[in-house]
Amino acid sequence: GENVEQHPSTLSVQEGDSAVIKCTYSDSASNYFPWYKQELGKRPQLIIDIRSNVGEKKDQRIAVTLNKTAKHFSLHITETQPEDSAVYFCAASLEDSSYKLIFGSGTRLLVRP
Amino acid sequence: DGGITQSPKYLFRKEGQNVTLSCEQNLNHDAMYWYRQDPGQGLRLIYYSQIVNDFQKGDIAEGYSVSREKKESFPLTVTSAQKNPTAFYLCASRPLSTGELFFGEGSRLTVL
Repeated sequence: GENVEQHPSTLSVQEGDSAVIKCTYSDSASNYFPWYKQELGKRPQLIIDIRSNVGEKKDQRIAVTLNKTAKHFSLHITETQPEDSAVYFCAASLEDSSYKLIFGSGTRLLVRP
Repeated sequence: DGGITQSPKYLFRKEGQNVTLSCEQNLNHDAMYWYRQDPGQGLRLIYYSQIVNDFQKGDIAEGYSVSREKKESFPLTVTSAQKNPTAFYLCASRPLSTGELFFGEGSRLTVL
C-alpha cells in the first residue's frame, strides 16, 4: 500500500522568511496530493492540492511542486506570518471514487514574530 | 449551519468497555471517513464509506467497527479488542465531485 513520509517534523522560521515542507510517496499510481493545515485545537483544513498532470500550483503565498519521477512533492510558503503557525499534513491517494488519503506524519511550523 | 459534528468531544472509559463515537454531517456528502490521530504519526485511516450500507477497512481497522445506515451518520465503535484506544479521532466527509475532506472537530478518547 501507499506510504507517505514527511520532513521535517518541526520547522521554526522568522516572520517573513520562506518555509518548505517535503513529502515522498511510495505508490507510483498515486495521482492526487493535498496539503492540510491544522491550527492548534482546530480541525484540519485543505489549503492546496495538486494532481499528477501538473508540476506546480500556486495560491497567493503558498505553492506546491510535484516531481512524479522522484515521487516527491513539496509545500512552499513565502513571506511567512505568525498565523501560518500550525501543523501541516501532506497526503497522497489515487484519484478514484474512494480518495483513500494516506497522510504524512505532519510538520509543526512555528513562525517567530 | 452546515457542517460535520462529532460527539462527544471528550470521553473517558474504563479498559474493556466498548465506546461509540458519533459523526453526523448535513453537507449531503456521500463519502465519510474515520481517522485516528496520534502524536508524531499523522492521521491514519480506520474505516471509510462511499455509500449507505457499504464501508471498507482502512489501514488500522482492527478493534474498530462502523455502520452506515443513513447518509448523514457514520458512527465508530471502539471495541475492547483495540489494544491502544486512547487517541484523538477525526471524522470527515467528502462530496463525490472532489477530493477535499471536510473534518469534524474530533473526539478525544481516554481509556483509563
